[in-house]
Formats: sequence, structure tokens, C-alpha cells
Amino acid sequence: GQNIDQPTEMTATEGAIVQINCTYQTSGFNGLFWYQQHAGEAPTFLSYNVLDGLEEKGRFSSFLSRSKGYSYLLLKELQMKDSASYLCAALTDSWGKFQFGAGTQVVVTP
Amino acid sequence: DTEVTQTPKHLVMGMTNKKSLKCEQHMGHRAMYWYKQKAKKPPELMFVYSYEKLSINESVPSRFSPECPNSSLLNLHLHALQPEDSALYLCASSPRTETNTGELFFGEGSRLTVL
Repeated sequence: GQNIDQPTEMTATEGAIVQINCTYQTSGFNGLFWYQQHAGEAPTFLSYNVLDGLEEKGRFSSFLSRSKGYSYLLLKELQMKDSASYLCAALTDSWGKFQFGAGTQVVVTP
Repeated sequence: DTEVTQTPKHLVMGMTNKKSLKCEQHMGHRAMYWYKQKAKKPPELMFVYSYEKLSINESVPSRFSPECPNSSLLNLHLHALQPEDSALYLCASSPRTETNTGELFFGEGSRLTVL
């Protein structure tokens, strides 16, 4: 079966750092994606890892360990606009089958 | 143009109605998707079209019927829906090649209410 776990909610203050963990167990694996979704809007792509290691994109970084079935998204210098749901998604085959986690609601407080 | 455009944005229909959701992209992407998303839940995959052919159907009831008329367009035909089908329906595309699926580009969604 397919299982992707991430925390339900995290709260942090403006300017801080937050790390959202994601563990996955899938029958196939072709990469791990992170998306941001503001309430009432469509998800938008943040980052992608297919090899082990860290990918950095401005204030956002994502890490992958394939052997551990583990990824995290690091958000630095938090801003109020970063309050959103963050979805971890595993690409489980070569046909485009993405399996999404339930999402982590990040609340940024002043 | 990096947009996926969905119409209508909102749709209210009765259980006996027939309606369609439409999706369009002009990024040259060769994979297009329909997802269903309920409030505070992750998107659930319904269908994947790859090079205009249906490649994945996630055991979706036949009251949902997808159609891909060409590489830029994707439709979802709705007939005899149930109130529990009320949800946000998201279309997405990805720059699929033989070696890489690429990330999903989502449209803003069509919010469907079935009365």
C-alpha cells in the first residue's frame, strides 16, 4: 500500500525557522515533491528531490533520504504569507501517479 | 504562458443534471490530470492522460467521464452525481517526457456543489 505521513499542524513566529517532516512508504518511488496550498487556492510547486541530499531554493530547502523513506521541508525567515498548508507528495510510478500526504498546516504568528 | 485554466470556477448542479468541467493549458505539457479535493484533505488522483491517452483511472465511478480532445484540453463530464461528490476538482498538467514526469502545475479548481 501507499502511506505518506506528515504532522497535522505547526506553529512558528515570524522570522523563525520551521522544519516539516514527511515519511513515506510507497510501492514505487520516482521522486518527492513539496507543494504549498493557501486556503481556497490550488497547490503550487515548491521543490523536488529524486536523489539523496539537500536542495536549496531561496528561503525554502528540501532534503531527501531514500533509504530512510524520509524528507523534510525547511522554511527559513518565516513571513506571515507563509501561513498555508504544505503537502508532501511522492511520485510512485513513471506514469505520473502522485500520492499526496494529508498536508501540514503552518501557522505563522507575529 | 504558465497557467492552467479551469472553467467554471463554481458549479451547482442537481443529481439529474449533466455538466462538464473544462481545463486548458498551453505549456506544451503532455500529461494532464484530474484530482478531487475535499476540505482539509489532500488531493486525490482521479485520472491521468499521457500523450492524450488515458493512462490511469483510479477506480473512479462511471458518473465521472474524462475526455482529452487534444494535447491542450481536458474535460470532465459529470452525470447523475451524488451530494458526496461535492468537492474542489483540480486539473493539473506536467511536462512529461520519456524520462521525467516533472512537477504538477495546478489550475485554480472548479468548486462543485451537488444538491
